[in-house]
Parts: sequence; C-alpha cells; structure tokens
Amino acid sequence: GESVGLHLPTLSVQEGDNSIINCAYSNSASDYFIWYKQESGKGPQFIIDIRSNMDKRQGQRVTVLLNKTVKHLSLQIAATQPGDSAVYFCAENRETGGFKTIFGAGTRLFVKA
Amino acid sequence: SAVISQKPSRDICQRGTSLTIQCQVDSQVTMMFWYRQQPGQSLTLIATANQGSEATYESGFVIDKFPISRPNLTFSTLTVSNMSPEDSSIYLCSVAGTLNGNEQFFGPGTRLTVL
Repeated sequence: GESVGLHLPTLSVQEGDNSIINCAYSNSASDYFIWYKQESGKGPQFIIDIRSNMDKRQGQRVTVLLNKTVKHLSLQIAATQPGDSAVYFCAENRETGGFKTIFGAGTRLFVKA
Repeated sequence: SAVISQKPSRDICQRGTSLTIQCQVDSQVTMMFWYRQQPGQSLTLIATANQGSEATYESGFVIDKFPISRPNLTFSTLTVSNMSPEDSSIYLCSVAGTLNGNEQFFGPGTRLTVL
C-alpha cells in the first residue's frame, strides 16, 4: 500500500551544525509534501511544503528537497539550534479525491549544546 | 493562522465508558479532521468531519466507535466509545481551508488514558 516513511528514527547533532532529515514515500500521486515539527505536548506545526512539480524550496533556515526519481524527500536545517529539538514528520497531501494528509513515522532530532 | 483549542486536554477513563472531545477553532474553516497519535508513533487520520453530514472515516475506523459531530464551521466533537486500554492515545483535531489557503493546523491534542 501507500506509505510515507523515514530513514532514521533519531538524529543527534551539535548546535550550529546543519541537520538533514530524510523521508521516503511510495505514492507518486501526491500533490505536495509537507514537513511538520512537533514539540513535546503540542500538536504538529507546519514548517515548509513543496509541490510535486518542484525539486527544491527554501525557507528561513530550512530547505526541502524532493527527488521524484527515487521518491525521496529531505529537510535541511541550517545552523541547528537547541530550539530545533523536536520530532519531525514528513507528510504527503492529496487534494484530488478529497483533501487528505498522510504522515510518515517521524524522526526525533536532538541538538547538543 | 487558525488557533485551535481542545477540551479536555487530558483525561483518565475507565474501561467501557465513553469520552467526548471538543475542538473549537477561532475562525471559520472549510475542513476539520481528527487524528490519533499513539505513544511514540506518528499521526493516523481517523476521519474527516463534514459539516451537516456524516463524517468520512478512514480504513480501520468506524462511526460506532468514533462518532463525530460538526454542527458548524468552527466546532467539532469526537467521541471515543466503549473505551479499552488500546484506545489510550493522543487525539488531535486539525483544520484546513482558512481565508489564507489550505495550510493545515493542529490543536494541542487530548491525552487519553484508559484503565
């Protein structure tokens, strides 16, 4: 069946370093992909998204890369800060046939000071 | 953005009872959803709450177990019926379709423990 999954369950990085969180997906029919950040005790918070017809999008300190050939999505966080410590989820959204967002397994990011 | 509140924030319930979770949004939204997040896991979509009609349930979820109401564009409820310990989870309300587009927002969640 269709799925959105992640390569690494946990990631530990030094403060100031760049972080890369990876995600694999299997459904080619998605309209766009989203990265969410979830802090303890809170709901997921939108970080950045990318439409399926793009391969790169940049935000503030974050970049999302989409490789449709290998069905791979990544989130790059520049100059990682302690406040970036959280669980990160990739998700896919399909607007046709009914708006629906499906979440991947999640990666916990630890930032060491 | 849309600000979402959920009540209760947490509860401890006895097996066999039911709990209704409320979701209130500070602005009118087109779409409302209910998700479940079991400890240490990802979010699973339970259903889409449709205004004025029955909710649309995902595979593995049924109306008898998770009845949903959506009386207007800012409010929805999810009931977890005849609870068992396996229902212990975080239940999250989510919305999309505000005046600013289809960005999806999530509530803080309701942490349910069933004894």
